[in-house]
Amino acid sequence: NAGVMQNPRHLVRRRGQEARLRCSPMKGHSHVYWYRQLPEEGLKFMVYLQKENIIDESGMPKERFSAEFPKEGPSILRIQQVVRGDSAAYFCASSPDEKLFFGSGTQLSVL
Amino acid sequence: EDKVVQSPLSLVVHEGDTVTLNCSYEVTNFRSLLWYKQEKKAPTFLFMLTSSGIEKKSGRLSSILDKKELFSILNITATQTGDSAVYLCAVDLSSNTGKLIFGQGTTLQVKP
Repeated sequence: NAGVMQNPRHLVRRRGQEARLRCSPMKGHSHVYWYRQLPEEGLKFMVYLQKENIIDESGMPKERFSAEFPKEGPSILRIQQVVRGDSAAYFCASSPDEKLFFGSGTQLSVL
Repeated sequence: EDKVVQSPLSLVVHEGDTVTLNCSYEVTNFRSLLWYKQEKKAPTFLFMLTSSGIEKKSGRLSSILDKKELFSILNITATQTGDSAVYLCAVDLSSNTGKLIFGQGTTLQVKP
């Protein structure tokens, strides 16, 4: 799982700002998943992407959140106009099969 | 609604003890059950279980699945302080989307 790279590790934003979280999957993996972990809660699925396609975004909040995985470059999870409730750890994972390999996460803190 | 429930939520033991962590699930379509260990960073994969009654082992860790009773257990024998972590159970639904439903985790603390 060391191969899934996320940055930044920590991100501090003020309410109303935008947050951009980046994820590069393991080499050879073309599937990327984003999960969110709120304090004292388990990981919650947000979105599943393949290159240039969103496959399943059933876990994404309807507003302010978007994700992309362009042909070139990392996957981006974008949160517009952040609020305090967005504070959480955001994990990216990639997969060759059923087993997901997770990155170290981005801890987003909204002041 | 699909759900995964882990118990206990937290556990404190001493080195050398044996622990059993529980995971029960209610899902519409079951594909596999996975266990992860999380130590303040990336969850690391431990086991994937698809068939009932077949124990998977890795060193002092073992796990088994009961698809009839809809639960799995994770056993750790001769615990060490390095086993202290949050243990996550997740169910993969038969949707081919990598959408795992996670339990809330069991926080294990092993004291010297």
